[in-house]
Amino acid sequence: QKEVEQNSGPLSVPEGAIASLNCTYSDRGSQSFFWYRQYSGKSPELIMSIYSNGDKEDGRFTAQLNKASQYVSLLIRDSQPSDSATYLCAVNMNNFNKFYFGSGTKLNVKP
Amino acid sequence: DTAVSQTPKYLVTQMGNDKSIKCEQNLGHDTMYWYKQDSKKFLKIMFSYNNKELIINETVPNRFSPKSPDKAHLNLHINSLELGDSAVYFCASSQAGGPKNIQYFGAGTRLSVL
Repeated sequence: QKEVEQNSGPLSVPEGAIASLNCTYSDRGSQSFFWYRQYSGKSPELIMSIYSNGDKEDGRFTAQLNKASQYVSLLIRDSQPSDSATYLCAVNMNNFNKFYFGSGTKLNVKP
Repeated sequence: DTAVSQTPKYLVTQMGNDKSIKCEQNLGHDTMYWYKQDSKKFLKIMFSYNNKELIINETVPNRFSPKSPDKAHLNLHINSLELGDSAVYFCASSQAGGPKNIQYFGAGTRLSVL
């Protein structure tokens, strides 16, 4: 079992819809969780971080964390074609500097 | 002014050669990382340095040798390159160690071994 798992997609949604991206992780002691967006040929850039159970909202993005079920999700409201990218889930598993990344979910937002 | 810069951006070389990738950050961060991203987009940590000291060394072949002359620089030297080394290598930095620290990534170095 991989430390962090994501559905590779592609996930296709129409413009204006809600895109829902999911991630599960293996270590129950994990402390912090991140969503990065990576456009093709570019480097990952941080979208959201979340550390406590529940929801965290930032503009059109909402991160949801459920430590008991060991999953974290990212909701993108009012999806735009410019949101089309690969979304990487990253987890710090109770280690000072070690972050595990999932293999990413490719999102396509169709105009 | 680029926060985390890597050079070169592209590197094409023959099997068996030795090559280096350089990374510099101007964010004043204490911690730097090297990641390898394969063709399936899987991003895997290779090394992490905190204030010039190696703190994470994942199961990376010893052909890969990182060097941190100061906390703003982390270079990666690769000996005897193999076909399987072809990937995109990302350098990253964060304010300090710890689970809440956000990493900032360089633009990546696309290495192709022929």
